[in-house]
Amino acid sequence: DQQVKQNSPSLSVQEGRISILNCDYTNSMFDYFLWYKKYPAEGPTFLISISSIKDKNEDGRFTVFLNKSAKHLSLHIVPSQPGDSAVYFCAVLTDSWGKLQFGAGTQVVVTP
Amino acid sequence: EAQVTQNPRYLITVTGKKLTVTCSQNMNHEYMSWYRQDPGLGLRQIYYSMNVEVTDKGDVPEGYKVSRKEKRNFPLILESPSPNQTSLYFCASSFRTGRETQYFGPGTRLLVL
Repeated sequence: DQQVKQNSPSLSVQEGRISILNCDYTNSMFDYFLWYKKYPAEGPTFLISISSIKDKNEDGRFTVFLNKSAKHLSLHIVPSQPGDSAVYFCAVLTDSWGKLQFGAGTQVVVTP
Repeated sequence: EAQVTQNPRYLITVTGKKLTVTCSQNMNHEYMSWYRQDPGLGLRQIYYSMNVEVTDKGDVPEGYKVSRKEKRNFPLILESPSPNQTSLYFCASSFRTGRETQYFGPGTRLLVL
């Protein structure tokens, strides 16, 4: 049962512009959300996370926004750089022990 | 260097032939986990382990076994592989729980004929 959805499989953006990636979840009890980034032939790497007690978390060019009422989170990358071209996965912690559920991913391509 | 290693990186096998994919981490992490990545489905958790001798099922455990006899190792066992287990597999670890940053291995690409 897919509880995390990333409805955009791909996103193309020009260098210097903003990239906005979206993620929806189904269970209002979820309280911890993460974004991972994946380059080809490598494992995913952690990017940024947010707890449900916040609605925004920022780390350099990356900001995650959480809208609990809409059960929606988004990742903003500003400004986008060619090195940001990767697949981005949204993930949700579904229990206190560490069971993670990931979305299908969004392929981001940043063009010069 | 802190890392998660997986072996083999690539494997072609036939239906029914038992195989083991090893995973090892050198960060003294308590939490380890296995995922599979399939097109359009993202990463799905197979099994996870909170500590030595403590494991639990993820979302897609059928057809897989795991063991955690030592803190650093978390092998994934396919007793009788089938073609629907053809996938890209990732091992990950974190200090205590999945709430903390998980460090992923480089992946193992498995083809079951």
